[in-house]
Formats: sequence, structure tokens, C-alpha cells
Amino acid sequence: SYELTQPPSVSVSPGQTATITCSGDALARKYVFWYQQVSGQAPVLLIYVDSRRPPGTPYRFSGSRSGTVATLTIDGAQVEDEADYYCLSSDSSAQRLFGAGTKLTVL
Amino acid sequence: QLLLQESGPGLVKSSETLSLTCGVSGGSITTFDFQWGWIRQPPGKGLEWIGSMFHTGTTSFKSSLRSRVRMSADTSRNTFSLRLMSVTANDTAVYFCARQTYDWGPGAYFDAWGQGILVIVSS
Repeated sequence: SYELTQPPSVSVSPGQTATITCSGDALARKYVFWYQQVSGQAPVLLIYVDSRRPPGTPYRFSGSRSGTVATLTIDGAQVEDEADYYCLSSDSSAQRLFGAGTKLTVL
Repeated sequence: QLLLQESGPGLVKSSETLSLTCGVSGGSITTFDFQWGWIRQPPGKGLEWIGSMFHTGTTSFKSSLRSRVRMSADTSRNTFSLRLMSVTANDTAVYFCARQTYDWGPGAYFDAWGQGILVIVSS
């Protein structure tokens, strides 16, 4: 079965660039989507169709996908960006797949 | 603005059936532009897709849950529902309902979410 692999945690200082990866065979043929989840709240869509930002997503967030790896980049991470980040994709039978999530620490 | 709100019991006994409903306001569920889905999150863990459906009743479920899951829609009330049978402590989670974009091949995503409801399975 398909899986999406993310690093459990990423830590950066304020103003640095944070990079969160999501890898899996499904990404070779399917789009990736990224969510931010602040503790206790519903996830919020950050990036859709690999690299597009919905209204409201700050420009410091960007996404890309190449082969079986997708990347979420935060240029100039801020303290308020501390959250859990999840990637989402699909497998060949349209099953929705979430990555296990990455906890971003900015301090 | 589309709003989704989960409702249902917050406590379910082990081996019984978990039943939740998602009320949708600000938009109709009777559209083929979107599906309607359920996602859950056990305490301290990640997100898990449970299943999605069209308002017509066409459904797709996570393979490992397929034998225990049912989803249905009530177009007159603009709601859709989840039933998870034979629950165990492993089904304790926050359950989210969400709107899913149409998947024309390369994937789909959830663009609107409810706030979530915690369901605890007790022994």
C-alpha cells in the first residue's frame, strides 16, 4: 500500500528557512497538498496542487514536487508558524493519504 | 461562507456503533463539484482519512476500515453522516467532517473543515 513519509520534527530559529519533505511512490503521479494544524484546531489548507497558495496563505510558504518527493518551504519562519504540518495525496485507487505529520518548532 | 459542524455522542461503548452527523450551511451538498468526507485524529497522533461520498450515496472508504464504515447523506437536511461499527479504544479520536474537491485524476483535497468532535470509546 502507498504511504507518505514525513520527518517527525523540524526545528529552526526565527528568520531561517524551514524545509519539510513528504515522500512516497504516489507522488510520482498525484498532486500533493499541505495543511497546517495548530494544536487543538482543525487543519488549514496551506498549499494545493503542489505549489499553489490559497488566499490567506502567507507568501513565505511555498511548495514543490519532483518525482516522489514533495517539499514545503517556509522562507523566514516565524514563531507563529509553530504547528504540525501534514501532506496529503492520493493513491491509484483514489484513497486519500495523509503523511504522519511534521512538528515544526521555531525558537 | 461554507460552514461544517459535527454532532453526535462524545462517548461510545466498546463494540457498539459510533454515529456522527455533519451539518453543512452556506452551501448545498447536492453538487457533483464536491464530495463530503470524514477524517479522524487520535489523541496526539496524525490525520487519517476515513472515507468520502457524493450526495448520491457513492462512497469510497479507507481499505482498512471498509468493513466497518457506512456513510450516508440527507439532502433534505443538507447533512451527511458517518457510522463506524464495532468500535474499540483504537477508534477514540477527534472526528472531522470536511468538503473534498472533485478528483478528476491527479488528486483531491479538503478545502473546508468542521471544528471536530472528540469521541471516546469506553470499555
